[in-house]
Amino acid sequence: SYELTQPPSVSVSPGQTARITCSGDKLGDKYVCWYQQKPGQSPVVVMYQDTKRPSGIPERFSGSNSGNTATLTISGTQAIDEADYYCQAWDTSAYVFGTGTKLTVL
Amino acid sequence: QLQLQESGPGLLKPSETLSLTCSVSGGSMSYYWAWIRQPPGRGLEWIGSMYYSGSAYYNPSLKSRVTVSVDMSKSQFSLKLSSVAAADTAVYYCARQTSGYSSGWFDPWGQGTLVTVSS
Repeated sequence: SYELTQPPSVSVSPGQTARITCSGDKLGDKYVCWYQQKPGQSPVVVMYQDTKRPSGIPERFSGSNSGNTATLTISGTQAIDEADYYCQAWDTSAYVFGTGTKLTVL
Repeated sequence: QLQLQESGPGLLKPSETLSLTCSVSGGSMSYYWAWIRQPPGRGLEWIGSMYYSGSAYYNPSLKSRVTVSVDMSKSQFSLKLSSVAAADTAVYYCARQTSGYSSGWFDPWGQGTLVTVSS
């Protein structure tokens, strides 16, 4: 079955740029979206179809997808961005979620 | 604003059938609808999706035990998962799926409901 691999954790200082990667075979040929999940809350989509930002999501969130890696970039990271992030894609017969990355802003 | 709310039993015994309902308010039912789960402290797993007109597709790993259905008249969709085991303990989320197959994503999500399987 298809797998999407993310680093377990990423740490960033406030105001700096955070990059969260999602790796999978030929991932660049698929659409990727990203979800933010804060403790005790439901996931919220922050990026869809690789690079599109939903209404209400700050401009500091951006996305890219090429080759075997998709990246969610958060520029000027703020404390409120601290959360778990999951990538998601479709492969053959199932939606697959990434393993998840805990973003710490310290 | 579209809102989704899951409901159903929170405690099941092994081998029982999990039945959950998602009530949709504030928007049209003419979309795809999905169920996703998250074991405590772990990641997300897609369970299955259904178009409002009736076509459904499921995670191959769960396909033999899963049924998703939609009731347009009640603005609800449902999940049934048979022969549950401890490994099925998770928070179960319902969500609107924005389109089918390769371009789909999930937005918004319900608040989630914890289902525990224990003897």
